[in-house]
Amino acid sequence: DARVTQTPRHKVTEMGQEVTMRCQPILGHNTVFWYRQTMMQGLELLAYFRNRAPLDDSGMPKDRFSAEMPDATLATLKIQPSEPRDSAVYFCASGLVPSATDTQYFGPGTRLTVL
Amino acid sequence: KQEVTQIPAALSVPEGENLVLNCSFTDSAIYNLQWFRQDPGKGLTSLLLIQSSQREQTSGRLNASLDKSSGRSTLYIAASQPGDSATYLCAVSVSGVTLMEYGNKLVFGAGTILRVKS
Repeated sequence: DARVTQTPRHKVTEMGQEVTMRCQPILGHNTVFWYRQTMMQGLELLAYFRNRAPLDDSGMPKDRFSAEMPDATLATLKIQPSEPRDSAVYFCASGLVPSATDTQYFGPGTRLTVL
Repeated sequence: KQEVTQIPAALSVPEGENLVLNCSFTDSAIYNLQWFRQDPGKGLTSLLLIQSSQREQTSGRLNASLDKSSGRSTLYIAASQPGDSATYLCAVSVSGVTLMEYGNKLVFGAGTILRVKS
């Protein structure tokens, strides 16, 4: 049963610290997405990659956030320095384009709390 | 800019009722529309996907319709059960202008929180 995995599942840190979230997409998928979910804003697309190349990161605060895909099996989202307003659940999703289903498969999320 | 709105924000019904969740979007130039389910503390699971050329999709007790010209979709749940309690999100796939962006970039609504009471 292929799944998107994310680590860590929970992270509590202090303001100013660096946070790194990791995602392993489903093997064979060529598109990876990072989303942030908060009560106020709902689900927001931060960035997405196709074939490991960044296609759109316009939803991401550039001064503190960075997203990379070092290889096809790993995507990372880094926040440095972190701020309390970054507290949210961060989801990674993967998909295959083009495909008959054209859907995205979501990981369980990383719940980040910045104190 | 594409905006997706879901009504109602929350819904509480007794078990066995049929119910309808609504979704509207501002730009009809979509590639497809999906309905997702999210359980507390979990990720999203795709329930139904309707291509822009289709009118509806069905899976078990779920039926989703799409009226692209009016910018609306509905999710119909028949004979609701307590296990249906979750947040339901509607998302539209924004058509890209290049082959690389073809489909697949989703804009989400805020969701409808459904509670089915036993």
